[in-house]
Amino acid sequence: DIVMSQSPDSLAVSLGERATINCKSSQSVLYSSNNKHFLAWYQKKPGQPPKLLIYWASTRDSGVPDRFSGSGSGTDFTLTISSLQAEDVAVYYCQQYYSTSWTFGQGTKVEIK
Amino acid sequence: QVQLVESGGGVVQPGKSLRLSCAASGFTFSRYGMHWVRQAPGKGLEWLAVISYDGRNEYYGDSVKGRFTISRDNSKNTLYLQINSLGPEDTAVYYCAKQPYGGPLDNWGQGTLVTVSS
Repeated sequence: DIVMSQSPDSLAVSLGERATINCKSSQSVLYSSNNKHFLAWYQKKPGQPPKLLIYWASTRDSGVPDRFSGSGSGTDFTLTISSLQAEDVAVYYCQQYYSTSWTFGQGTKVEIK
Repeated sequence: QVQLVESGGGVVQPGKSLRLSCAASGFTFSRYGMHWVRQAPGKGLEWLAVISYDGRNEYYGDSVKGRFTISRDNSKNTLYLQINSLGPEDTAVYYCAKQPYGGPLDNWGQGTLVTVSS
């Protein structure tokens, strides 16, 4: 299985400041035939289902605020919240959908400093 | 609008079996792959299984292979997860989710809680 590792496990950021979450896959999730990275980011708040934020490593899902952005290639990816808002407090997960057995990272908890 | 509604959760004794259901509406169910994901209390998301749009292909996470079975009935727009030999480690909220072809999980149900306890 592809192992997804996120860092840090948690971070506290002041309102309006930047939050950066890293995700590393144990092998490439780049599908060469379409040159797309099969990497997604989800936001999870208590009592709510996960919400898709980013797919193909850098494409924002419909309705997701543009303060959320995804980047990276190969095996290293980043989710950036450019200006943290109170409603962004949540746990964020990366996920690979490259292999037939999908896997999530362990999650990164984002809090307000 | 897309709706996914899980049911079938509850308190179950260790060693018993359980079948979860996910009723889908608002989209053409038979055109999408469908997944199950769970979250144990205080833990992260764990991907469990996927079934292809036509039910011909199934894949499972290593931790549940051989004990969980995913299935679907496209005539009823319903996804299922059969869980056998339940143990305390299966206590979790179970979510179903929809996958557009080749893509990520773009819609999720609200989840159903399974508690394994004697």
